[in-house]
Amino acid sequence: DQQVKQNSPSLSVQEGRISILNCDYTNSMFDYFLWYKKYPAEGPTFLISISSIKDKNEDGRFTVFLNKSAKHLSLHIVPSQPGDSAVYFCAAAGLLSGGSQGNLIFGKGTKLSVKP
Amino acid sequence: EADIYQTPRYLVIGTGKKITLECSQTMGHDKMYWYQQDPGMELHLIHYSYGVNSTEKGDLSSESTVSRIRTEHFPLTLESARPSHTSQYLCASSPGSNTEAFFGQGTRLTVV
Repeated sequence: DQQVKQNSPSLSVQEGRISILNCDYTNSMFDYFLWYKKYPAEGPTFLISISSIKDKNEDGRFTVFLNKSAKHLSLHIVPSQPGDSAVYFCAAAGLLSGGSQGNLIFGKGTKLSVKP
Repeated sequence: EADIYQTPRYLVIGTGKKITLECSQTMGHDKMYWYQQDPGMELHLIHYSYGVNSTEKGDLSSESTVSRIRTEHFPLTLESARPSHTSQYLCASSPGSNTEAFFGQGTRLTVV
């Protein structure tokens, strides 16, 4: 059963507009959340993270919002650029049972296409 | 810039062959991981290590094995490759738990 869900497999946005990528999680023990960007045939690149004590973290064009009560986080990219076209993975970590403490658990990713 | 390296980048190999995927990091990180990813799917954790002589199985069962004899090196071995092992294998390291992990460029394995 998936603990981290990205329900939109793809998203298409016009250059200059805002891209909003969504992620839901089921395990309330997660307390650290991350977004990664991945190009084909490359490894994921870390973008931005947020801990559960915050509800927003901003880094340049990237902002992550966390809604703990809804178990939902989102990544906003503004303005979107063609170079942002990639697959974006949401990941979560926490003090889970069964020895998985601190290991990152990933969603299936959302493919973002930014059109010029 | 993360300093974690995987070789080979691409590998096509016949069924039944033994293969070792190499992963090295120069950041002195104690924790290392192997993930497996198929197109359109999530990254599945197959192995991780807390440090030298520590190896643990991840959430996804895998026929591969790993070793951690040196901090910087975390190779993954398949004793007898099968077509079902065709996938992308991603190695990562982190300074600890609940922090970002840094990934290598991955190995795209195809077993024919």
